[in-house]
Amino acid sequence: GENVEQHPSTLSVQEGDSAVIKCTYSDSASNYFPWYKQELGKRPQLIIDIRSNVGEKKDQRIAVTLNKTAKHFSLHITETQPEDSAVYFCASNAGGTSYGKLTFGQGTILTVHP
Amino acid sequence: SAVISQKPSRDICQRGTSLTIQCQVDSQVTMMFWYRQQPGQSLTLIATANQGSEATYESGFVIDKFPISRPNLTFSTLTVSNMSPEDSSIYLCSVTERLATNEKLFFGSGTQLSVL
Repeated sequence: GENVEQHPSTLSVQEGDSAVIKCTYSDSASNYFPWYKQELGKRPQLIIDIRSNVGEKKDQRIAVTLNKTAKHFSLHITETQPEDSAVYFCASNAGGTSYGKLTFGQGTILTVHP
Repeated sequence: SAVISQKPSRDICQRGTSLTIQCQVDSQVTMMFWYRQQPGQSLTLIATANQGSEATYESGFVIDKFPISRPNLTFSTLTVSNMSPEDSSIYLCSVTERLATNEKLFFGSGTQLSVL
């Protein structure tokens, strides 16, 4: 089955710096790659996603890049703020047939220091 | 996006008992899914809740342990049967919704289960 590896497991940055989280996947049929943010005690929230027909997508301070050949995708957060502190999960849809059947990475704990 | 509510939000249960978690969506949705998040871990798909038919389980999950009902397009239940401490997790109901031209997965409020 699909395997999604996420790095780093923890990331600590100063406010205003950029943060980058990287994921690799194994199933070449995967065609949808969302990112979720989970604050302590809350549900995971979708923050950005990308489909395999696109190489990059931006939404304000957040961007995601996809390299299909290398089977990796990355989340970039610029001008980080303390409220960006959370656990971030990448995911992919193994088999490429459903947008709800996702395989998640192990998560990255991001801490933004004021 | 749809509002996805779960009940209970948390519970503490005794080993060997069962708990049924309810998931209510404020609009009709085609696809509903149940995920598990073990303490400090990532999310794992348990099953797809199919309306009017048996749920489709992922590898490692079986109907006897996690029976699922989906009587209509807005409601589903997940039962955690014969619980053990290893079942202590957050259980998340989720649905896919089409926003603009794309389908996306959204999560419910979650049920935090502790088994003693």
